[in-house]
Amino acid sequence: EVHLVESGGGLVQPGGSLRLSCAASGFTFSTSWMLWVRQAPGKGLEWVANMNQDGSDKYYVGSVKGRFSISRDNAKSSLYLQMNSLRAEDTAVYYCARGVSRTTDFWGQGTLVTVSS
Amino acid sequence: DVVMTQSPLSLPVTLGQPASISCRSSQSLVHSNGNTYLDWFQQRPGQSPRRLIYEVSSRDSGVPDRFSGSGSGTDFTLKISRVEAEDVGVYYCLQGTHWPPTFGQGTKLEIK
Repeated sequence: EVHLVESGGGLVQPGGSLRLSCAASGFTFSTSWMLWVRQAPGKGLEWVANMNQDGSDKYYVGSVKGRFSISRDNAKSSLYLQMNSLRAEDTAVYYCARGVSRTTDFWGQGTLVTVSS
Repeated sequence: DVVMTQSPLSLPVTLGQPASISCRSSQSLVHSNGNTYLDWFQQRPGQSPRRLIYEVSSRDSGVPDRFSGSGSGTDFTLKISRVEAEDVGVYYCLQGTHWPPTFGQGTKLEIK
């Protein structure tokens, strides 16, 4: 069974940094592309970043380019999202998800990031 | 980016009655390889999204057969043949034909 568990969320001041982690199990992580999606409180879903299997290809939504960095460790079956220069508008639940075909199938339970002073 | 427009945004339904959600894209979702990458997700209250339908009409494993997807080009529909209490939540369409993938705004289904 596919299992994705996010961690690392919390309260951070504007301008601060956080590193999110996602532990994957139940499938061959090294052969799957992976992504992060976020959901602001009471709002819809936004595709944030994705990375291919070996990390050679990455995509970021415009609003996080230059501030967020996606990475992975295939030996640990883990996905990461380094978030710098955080803003209030980055407040959201961040979901780790598995890429399949040209979209996604399984998602984790999410981790809440709150940017506030 | 491709804009995905769902309607209605709020859908009150009586238990046992059918429900239908529309998703329209600003461009055709037919990929150059002939496939159409349009998925439907369900997000129950307090839970993460769960995929129900992929590539327009293929149901994911474990999804009840009362859920069905249809459509082509720019016009797609998710139908629930008989709504049950566990169907309450927000439904999103997602296109993957054009990069980056984009979601619809969501349709909130509630029981009347």
